[in-house]
Amino acid sequence: QKEVEQNSGPLSVPEGAIASLNCTYSDRVSQSFFWYRQYSGKSPELIMSIYSNGDKEDGRFTAQLNKASQYVSLLIRDSQPSDSATYLCAVRRGGNTGKLIFGQGTTLQVKP
Amino acid sequence: DVKVTQSSRYLVKRTGEKVFLECVQDMDHENMFWYRQDPGLGLRLIYFSYDVKMKEKGDIPEGYSVSREKKERFSLILESASTNQTSMYLCASSFVASTNEKLFFGSGTQLSVL
Repeated sequence: QKEVEQNSGPLSVPEGAIASLNCTYSDRVSQSFFWYRQYSGKSPELIMSIYSNGDKEDGRFTAQLNKASQYVSLLIRDSQPSDSATYLCAVRRGGNTGKLIFGQGTTLQVKP
Repeated sequence: DVKVTQSSRYLVKRTGEKVFLECVQDMDHENMFWYRQDPGLGLRLIYFSYDVKMKEKGDIPEGYSVSREKKERFSLILESASTNQTSMYLCASSFVASTNEKLFFGSGTQLSVL
């Protein structure tokens, strides 16, 4: 079992729709959770971080964390073609000196 | 702006060569990481360091070593390059903060081992 799992996609949504990206992790001691976006040929950049159970909203993005079920999700409202990218879920085990492990990424395509 | 600089964007080496990939960050970050990225496999952690002279193995350390003699520099070493080490290598750094961590990535080094 991979430590951090994502559906590789591609996930295709029409412009203006809600895109839902999911991630599960295997280690219950994980404490910090991140979503990175990576455009083709570019390096990843941080979109959201979440540390506590529940929802965290930032503009059109909402991260959701459920530690009991060991999953974290990212919702993108009013999806735009510019949101087309690969979204990487990352999980840090333990404290600040723990491993930071990425999932394989989900490719999102937003069609005009 | 934080800058993470990787020494080369593209590198071509021969099997058996010793290869050095250099990474320098200018924001006094404690944590530094080396990942490799391959299609369908995402980013896989090779090594990371949370302090000078400290290093920890990631998930795929075999065939690699690292060096962190100064806080700003984290080097990845391929002792004897092999074709299966052809990949995109990404360096990243972050400061240590309990609820506000952010990785800053370099632009990557595409390594081809022939």
